[in-house]
Amino acid sequence: DIQMTQSPSSVSASVGDRVTITCRASQDISSWLAWYQQKPGKAPKLLIYAASSLQSGVPSRFSGSGSGTEFTLSISSLQPEDFATYYCQQANSFPPWTFGQGTKVEIK
Amino acid sequence: EVQLVESGGDLVQPGGSLRLSCAASGFSFRNYNMNWVRQAPGKGLEWVSYISTSGSTIYYADSVKGRFTISRDNAKNSLFLQMNSLRDEDTAVYYCARHYSGYDTFDYWGQGTLVTVSS
Repeated sequence: DIQMTQSPSSVSASVGDRVTITCRASQDISSWLAWYQQKPGKAPKLLIYAASSLQSGVPSRFSGSGSGTEFTLSISSLQPEDFATYYCQQANSFPPWTFGQGTKVEIK
Repeated sequence: EVQLVESGGDLVQPGGSLRLSCAASGFSFRNYNMNWVRQAPGKGLEWVSYISTSGSTIYYADSVKGRFTISRDNAKNSLFLQMNSLRDEDTAVYYCARHYSGYDTFDYWGQGTLVTVSS
């Protein structure tokens, strides 16, 4: 199974800050990577697919990059509604589809 | 509007059984592969099971293989998860999630249903 490792596990940031989250795969997954946002008590929401494609309706301050084994999710100017936990997920080799352990973005 | 509504979660004793349902609306259910994904309290996301449009292809996570059975009824726009021999570690919120074909991600999720396994 492909292991996904996110860093950091949590980050404290202020409104307006740029935030970057990293996801590393245990083997080459090309660009088969997705990012999700999850708020407390809510279902995950797809933000990015194919490493860098923005899901319909997702604000353009979110962007994804990377290929192979290293990927990043960036939020260009953090908004109050962006405080949440973010997960990466590999879509290259399945089953199983595997997720990172999550990165919590908290208010500084 | 795409909607996925799970039901059937409950408190059950170890070794017991439960059947989860997911009612789909707002899209052509028969044309989409579907999944169950779970999240233990305070933990991350774990994919559980996948079923193709016709039900001909099914996958399970090793952690549930032999105990859980996924199925669907395209005439009733419904997805199911039969859970047998439940263990404490199966305690989680269970989400049904639509498969984003071509990208192998999950583009729409239900609100989840809580399964608690405890004596």
